[in-house]
Amino acid sequence: EVQLVESGGGLVQPGRSLRLSCAASGFTFNDYAMHWVRQAPGKGLEWVSGISWNSDSIDYADSVKGRFTISRDNAKNSLYLQMNSLRGEDTALYYCAADEDTALTGVSWFDPWGQGTLVTVSS
Amino acid sequence: QSVLTQPPSVSGAPGQRVTISCTGSSSNIGAGYDVHWYQQLPGTAPKLLIYGNINRPSGVPDRFSGSKSGTSASLAITGLQAEDEADYYCQSYDSSLSGWVFGGGTKLTVL
Repeated sequence: EVQLVESGGGLVQPGRSLRLSCAASGFTFNDYAMHWVRQAPGKGLEWVSGISWNSDSIDYADSVKGRFTISRDNAKNSLYLQMNSLRGEDTALYYCAADEDTALTGVSWFDPWGQGTLVTVSS
Repeated sequence: QSVLTQPPSVSGAPGQRVTISCTGSSSNIGAGYDVHWYQQLPGTAPKLLIYGNINRPSGVPDRFSGSKSGTSASLAITGLQAEDEADYYCQSYDSSLSGWVFGGGTKLTVL
């Protein structure tokens, strides 16, 4: 069964850091680019960051550039998101999702998605 | 304000047909980037519904169809069923932003 399982979310104070993980199973992880997409409570979807299969290409949304770092470990079938200098507006459910391509070409879609991990930034 | 514009809500009676529009610009849909659609049932993760403008993944009923023209795309749902009640999102790529973009989402209510 193809599966993505996120972990690492929680309650964190503004300005602090958090590291999210996404464990992949049921497919050849290093055949796919990967992304993080977030959804603030009661709001829509927002793309956060993407990484190519071999980590050679990485993109970030302007809202997180300079604060978040995406990475992957193909040997561990895992995707990560290091989030620093967290703000209240970063409060959201964070999903990892697989790209249908190996590279970040912009032409493909996200499938499958994990169930998400909730990050709450509050004092 | 989302880069791709969707109506906040649509509704229809069981058995009816509804459409959801997704309007972009010359830097995303109008630039030739494909549009993809996702269905998000209450309390669950998004699920791919339509990819590459018109294609259905295995397991998605043919009641769901997609189209694209110019700077816009549409999702049509025929033979509405109660289980279709969900949020629907369109997604594409924007060359000006150098990133993936979503519509604001449309809540479908089956009356």
